[in-house]
Amino acid sequence: SQKIEQNSEALNIQEGKTATLTCNYTNYSPAYLQWYRQDPGRGPVFLLLIRENEKEKRKERLKVTFDTTLKQSLFHITASQPADSATYLCALDTHGTDKLIFGTGTRLQVFP
Amino acid sequence: DTGVSQNPRHKITKRGQNVTFRCDPISEHNRLYWYRQTLGQGPEFLTYFQNEAQLEKSRLLSDRFSAERPKGSFSTLEIQRTEQGDSAMYLCASSLASGQGNTIYFGEGSWLTVV
Repeated sequence: SQKIEQNSEALNIQEGKTATLTCNYTNYSPAYLQWYRQDPGRGPVFLLLIRENEKEKRKERLKVTFDTTLKQSLFHITASQPADSATYLCALDTHGTDKLIFGTGTRLQVFP
Repeated sequence: DTGVSQNPRHKITKRGQNVTFRCDPISEHNRLYWYRQTLGQGPEFLTYFQNEAQLEKSRLLSDRFSAERPKGSFSTLEIQRTEQGDSAMYLCASSLASGQGNTIYFGEGSWLTVV
């Protein structure tokens, strides 16, 4: 069966450390993989998109890797801050039509 | 930057009533999407439009759900004969499709509670 798995347990880290979130998928061949941030009661906010032929993408303190052999994406936030506390969602686009299939998200809590 | 606008933000309705949600996408965005999200889950794709054409509606949850985008601008999502299981946040998103891998902008969602 097709699955997108993100760690359902919250990730708690200390301010200044690097947060690493994992997205694993099975039985999909995504053209793109995207990461979103979602705050409680709000809509998701786009962070980064990585294509199937890209290994790594960076934006400021954010870095995404994409391993189509392992069927895994890692999302890193360096020098984390309490303001980074939110739920982070990965999403697959399997046809390049922007129709996204989302994981369940991982809640990140950064404490001072 | 007006963003994607959704109305109403919250709706409480009695079971069996009809509800309609409106979405105003970012101006000039040609694609518009509807998703549903329940607590602890990621958004679930429902349907999408390219301009006024509804390109996929197979994911709409039942024939009680329908969506329109009559002039290729705003869109409405209607749920008829609501059930308690319809309680969720309904998200609208839009994008300017130019090739593949476009940035998708979500609205703040419309919360539906069916009592």
